[in-house]
Amino acid sequence: NAGVTQTPKFRVLKTGQSMTLLCAQDMNHEYMYWYRQDPGMGLRLIHYSVGEGTTAKGEVPDGYNVSRLKKQNFLLGLESAAPSQTSVYFCASRRGTEGYTFGSGTRLTVV
Amino acid sequence: SQQGEEDPQALSIQEGENATMNCSYKTSINNLQWYRQNSGRGLVHLILIRSNEREKHSGRLRVTLDTSKKSSSLLITASRAADTASYFCATPGYGGSQGNLIFGKGTKLSVKP
Repeated sequence: NAGVTQTPKFRVLKTGQSMTLLCAQDMNHEYMYWYRQDPGMGLRLIHYSVGEGTTAKGEVPDGYNVSRLKKQNFLLGLESAAPSQTSVYFCASRRGTEGYTFGSGTRLTVV
Repeated sequence: SQQGEEDPQALSIQEGENATMNCSYKTSINNLQWYRQNSGRGLVHLILIRSNEREKHSGRLRVTLDTSKKSSSLLITASRAADTASYFCATPGYGGSQGNLIFGKGTKLSVKP
């Protein structure tokens, strides 16, 4: 039982490049989330999904897109990376009213 | 849109001492959760306390919830060096975001051997 797996773990992008972060969970959880964590800012919600085929905007959605084509996967895309998107990205999932299960994070640097 | 706010921002104690962290929030909630984050790792769920509960225990952790004061506390008893981490409280969002969690900025706990 792997829980929540994020790939890649580290990435350096040049400004304007695009990339996709993958989140996979094997717990059959309905809800999935993408957060970013910046120093002094805590975690901020980017996008979330309440089930396969659904997505919704969180607190800081600009510059990101998401897709949930399969229940176990939640993809976060950066269309044109900017230095302001340098951050640590966390994926999480949950079932019902249980606590969240987090992945180990993706550290992204945009230069 | 921050809901919960932890206090203090940083706490340094000796091994064996107790550590208390507080969380204050703004709107009515039906539950409050605490998470731990070790340096460079993802968050780990510690405990969930519902609005009709006043106190909950899990091992060396004790969480209290005072809905009249809109506050919660996390007590770690007999702390160990391995408890060194950041601790976050999280509360449900409000309005259209009730299904989501809003995290505070965390308390950074350092336990010295």
